Amino acid sequence: GAGVSQSPSNKVTEKGKDVELRCDPISGHTALYWYRQRLGQGLEFLIYFQGNSAPDKSGLPSDRFSAERTGESVSTLTIQRTQQEDSAVYLCASSLYTGSYNSPLHFGNGTRLTVT
Amino acid sequence: AQSVTQPDIHITVSEGASLELRCNYSYGATPYLFWYVQSPGQGLQLLLKYFSGDTLVQGIKGFEAEFKRSQSSFNLRKPSVHWSDAAEYFCAVNTGTASKLTFGTGTRLQVTL
Repeated sequence: GAGVSQSPSNKVTEKGKDVELRCDPISGHTALYWYRQRLGQGLEFLIYFQGNSAPDKSGLPSDRFSAERTGESVSTLTIQRTQQEDSAVYLCASSLYTGSYNSPLHFGNGTRLTVT
Repeated sequence: AQSVTQPDIHITVSEGASLELRCNYSYGATPYLFWYVQSPGQGLQLLLKYFSGDTLVQGIKGFEAEFKRSQSSFNLRKPSVHWSDAAEYFCAVNTGTASKLTFGTGTRLQVTL
């Protein structure tokens, strides 16, 4: 199993609840991204981790969203007090930073979040 | 900041016809360019990439793309489309440093028989 793994694959939650989404990147990949894809839409950048550098959080839509990454391994995306507009597929991707460029992204299959 | 524009939201072609999907980027230097495909119910898969060198790059599934610096474009082409090519196609760019990958809004390809 060398791919990017995301869990859960599907999550249904009630409005106002908190949810936590998990991403296991490919071993050795230093870069990790979270994207959001609403139904029929493109990929919306959320956050980017690169090694030990400070993450690029410029895409997080509100302070209800946060993400953490432990070293160069697992990442969790947390959405607090979920709203219906948070319903989307949340995609995680990882890549290897060579020191001069990032290798192409490898995507997980996503977590489909439905807020009722 | 880098940006990517895919001007066509939806394209329909007949099976066997040729295909060109447009992608324009905005960045001062030569970027690193990618095309990804997302088939229905599937994750994103890399079709091809351009880092440097030959401006015509070949990818999987018979796709190719040409980098044109003068037009800031990286259009995706296929000589003869198959019904299985129906999918969403995303162009993406990064600057080659430790920066985030920026995606276009995607072009949905429909193939008629």
